[in-house]
Amino acid sequence: GEDVEQSLFLSVREGDSSVINCTYTDSSSTYLYWYKQEPGAGLQLLTYIFSNMDMKQDQRLTVLLNKKDKHLSLRIADTQTGDSAIYFCAESQGYSTLTFGKGTMLLVSP
Amino acid sequence: DTGVSQDPRHKITKRGQNVTFRCDPISEHNRLYWYRQTLGQGPEFLTYFQNEAQLEKSRLLSDRFSAERPKGSFSTLEIQRTEQGDSAMYLCASTQGNNEKLFFGSGTQLSVL
Repeated sequence: GEDVEQSLFLSVREGDSSVINCTYTDSSSTYLYWYKQEPGAGLQLLTYIFSNMDMKQDQRLTVLLNKKDKHLSLRIADTQTGDSAIYFCAESQGYSTLTFGKGTMLLVSP
Repeated sequence: DTGVSQDPRHKITKRGQNVTFRCDPISEHNRLYWYRQTLGQGPEFLTYFQNEAQLEKSRLLSDRFSAERPKGSFSTLEIQRTEQGDSAMYLCASTQGNNEKLFFGSGTQLSVL
């Protein structure tokens, strides 16, 4: 089965908050990441969180980690049309060998 | 541009041909990774170098695939006798030391006809 799962699609209106959710199965995951991918492009690292943290905030981005439930979320405040992309959740046990989810397509409408 | 650079951006080949891709990591990054991404999926780990040593290989890396990093700087990924199932985006990424921030290139999109 999959190690990292995400919902496939999210649609929001410009100015709203977006919340993208992810669950993972490996309890030894040490780092959890959020990457953004725009069409035809590589992956852009948005943020990452160490497993002993439960929250990290970086400008419009807030990451919440519930280690007990193995649940990770990414909240984007004041979502803009430029935020439309595919967002990947990933986990690693160190040394950056990441296991990715299938990605959540975020569509932001004006 | 000091990011991870990959060449070519696109490659179209016929089944059975060999192809080679190149990755130039961010300068002084000693760890280099290859991932493969198929349509609708997340990237999947293929292999990892620390300096010139290939330290880990995924089961996805069949014997038709070979990766090298001869001088610990750029890396090449070769696929021999390509198959249609090899069609994918091949992504390279790099980082330095114990840093867990992995920086990706724009990828090489391979289409096998």
